[in-house]
Amino acid sequence: GAVVSQHPSRVICKSGTSVKIECRSLDFQATTMFWYRQFPKQSLMLMATSNEGSKATYEQGVEKDKFLINHASLTLSTLTVTSAHPEDSSFYICSASGSGPRVTFGSGTRLTVV
Amino acid sequence: GIQVEQSPPDLILQEGANSTLRCNFSDSVNNLQWFHQNPWGQLINLFYIPSGTKQNGRLSATTVATERYSLLYISSSQTTDSGVYFCAVVDSGGSNYKLTFGKGTLLTVNP
Repeated sequence: GAVVSQHPSRVICKSGTSVKIECRSLDFQATTMFWYRQFPKQSLMLMATSNEGSKATYEQGVEKDKFLINHASLTLSTLTVTSAHPEDSSFYICSASGSGPRVTFGSGTRLTVV
Repeated sequence: GIQVEQSPPDLILQEGANSTLRCNFSDSVNNLQWFHQNPWGQLINLFYIPSGTKQNGRLSATTVATERYSLLYISSSQTTDSGVYFCAVVDSGGSNYKLTFGKGTLLTVNP
C-alpha cells in the first residue's frame, strides 16, 4: 500500500528560528502533496497544495512567506516554518495520493515553539 | 466552499456496543473518505466511498450521494477503536485529492 513518511515527528524550537518538515512518498510518485494544520481537538485545515516543479498554491489566510513549501521531486515535499512564533505551535500533517483517489497521510509533526 | 458536518461530536461506548457516525455535506461530491485519527495523531484511511456501501471487518460505510450524507458503522466496538473519526470530501468541481474535513467525532470505547 501507499506509504507517506513525515519527519520529524516532534520538534521544539526557539522563537525566531526556522523549522523544516519533510514529507516523502516511499513507494509511489506524488505530483501533488497537501499540507494541513491541526490545532488541539480541532479538525484539519488545508494550508497549501504542493505541486512538483512549480509554486505551491496557498489557501486564503495562509502566509506564503512564513510557510515555505518546496516540492523538488516526485517523492519529496518540504514545509519550512520561518521565524517561528509560539502561535505557530501546532500539529502539521502532509498527505499524498498515488494513482487512485485514496489519500494517504503522513504521521504528522508536532511543533512546539518556545 | 463545501460544508461538512459530522455528528455526534462526542460518543462514549462500552466495549462490544455498536455505533453509527454521520456525515452531511452541502454540495455534490466526487470523493468522500472516512479516516480514523488515533491518539498519536496518525490518520488512517478507512474508506473511499463517494457512493454505495462498503464493508471492512467490523466497519462498514454507506454514502447516499443524492441525499448528501454518509454513515460509518462500527460494530462490536473495541477499546482500540477510540480516537477521532473524520469524514472528508472533495466537491464535484474540485481537485480529486483536495479534501475538506468535517470537525470529527471523538469516540471513546471503555473496557
